[in-house]
Amino acid sequence: EVLLGESGGGLEQPGGSLRLSCAASGFSFSNYGMNWVRQAPGKGLEWVSYISSSSSTVYYADSLKGRFTISRDNAKNSLYLQMNSLRAEDTAVYYCARGGHCSSTSCFIRAAFDIWGQGTMVTVSS
Amino acid sequence: DIQMTQSPSSLSASVGDRVTITCRASQSISSYLNWYQQKPGKAPKVLIYAASTLQSGVPSRFSGSGSGTDFTLTISGLQPEDFATYSCQQSYNAPFTFGPGTKVDIK
Repeated sequence: EVLLGESGGGLEQPGGSLRLSCAASGFSFSNYGMNWVRQAPGKGLEWVSYISSSSSTVYYADSLKGRFTISRDNAKNSLYLQMNSLRAEDTAVYYCARGGHCSSTSCFIRAAFDIWGQGTMVTVSS
Repeated sequence: DIQMTQSPSSLSASVGDRVTITCRASQSISSYLNWYQQKPGKAPKVLIYAASTLQSGVPSRFSGSGSGTDFTLTISGLQPEDFATYSCQQSYNAPFTFGPGTKVDIK
């Protein structure tokens, strides 16, 4: 079964840091681009970041202003999101989601997000 | 960045109704438009990708159309399990923006 599972969420004070993890199983993780998507309470979905299979290409939402860093460890089938300088407006459920397939030379970045984790809640509050 | 809008923001419908949701992009995105369904407390699920291709396992009562800037999601014969929020997303260019969502509830 193809699965993604997030962890690492919790309560953090403004200005603090958190590192989210996403464990993948049931598919060849190293052959897919991966994304983080968040959803603030009662709000819509907001795409956060993308990383290609080889980590050579990364994209971020403009609103993050350099505070978040996406990374991956293909040997561990894991995706990460390092979140620094946290703000109240970062409070959300964070989902990891599978993107498009990557070959040895390129990734199809225009794919839908076909596999999602269950999400992990991040609350930023004093 | 490409902005996505949806209409309506919410609608009430009955089982068996035909429901249409529209999505508009602020610039042409060719056919790189995806539709997701989300139920409360659950992760989104892709229904339609590339504007009109049904994701495997999704019932055929769901259909999508459009290209360029204007897209529609149609549910032909609403079922009780279809009451949810539907969001469009462009995957043409990063940032891969989502629409604000359309909540479909029971009339």
